[in-house]
Amino acid sequence: GNSVTQMEGPVTLSEEAFLTINCTYTATGYPSLFWYVQYPGEGLQLLLKATKADDKGSNKGFEATYRKETTSFHLEKGSVQVSDSAVYFCALDSNYQLIWGAGTKLIIKP
Amino acid sequence: SAVISQKPSRDICQRGTSLTIQCQVDSQVTMMFWYRQQPGQSLTLIATANQGSEATYESGFVIDKFPISRPNLTFSTLTVSNMSPEDSSIYLCSVEDKSGYEQFFGPGTRLTVL
Repeated sequence: GNSVTQMEGPVTLSEEAFLTINCTYTATGYPSLFWYVQYPGEGLQLLLKATKADDKGSNKGFEATYRKETTSFHLEKGSVQVSDSAVYFCALDSNYQLIWGAGTKLIIKP
Repeated sequence: SAVISQKPSRDICQRGTSLTIQCQVDSQVTMMFWYRQQPGQSLTLIATANQGSEATYESGFVIDKFPISRPNLTFSTLTVSNMSPEDSSIYLCSVEDKSGYEQFFGPGTRLTVL
């Protein structure tokens, strides 16, 4: 069946460091891929998405590229800020239902 | 986008009681989803609720434990029945946008069962 695997956290970085959170998926066909973010005490928000191979989603300095050949959708940011501290979820759309990764907690230290 | 509100935002309940969670959307939507997020875990889909039909439950979830109502296109309720401490979780409702590519989430209801 369809599944999403993302790197375990917590990931702890210093401010202005480069961020990569790995996400790989298993799916039949060509699902849409998403990154959602959950800031402390807040609800889930869509961060970015990509609907087909080689698409790059971007938002708030974050980027992720839909790589069909490696079945990956890694999240990257060139320079993280303390305000980026949150839990990040990778997800894929399977028949209009979202399949979720386990979430990666990101901690940014000043 | 859709704006979703949930009530209550949090509650502490006694074992054996029931809690009904409300989800209100600011626009008409066809599909609404109910999720559970246990502490430190990812989201697990409980059921999909379409207006005018019975909710569709995922494996491991049953209507007697999690009855759902969907009386119109902007509102739904989830009841957590006969609660036990294992039901302590965040319960989230979400809706799908018209493109079918994105889901919007409510702020969640944090439930603690003693």
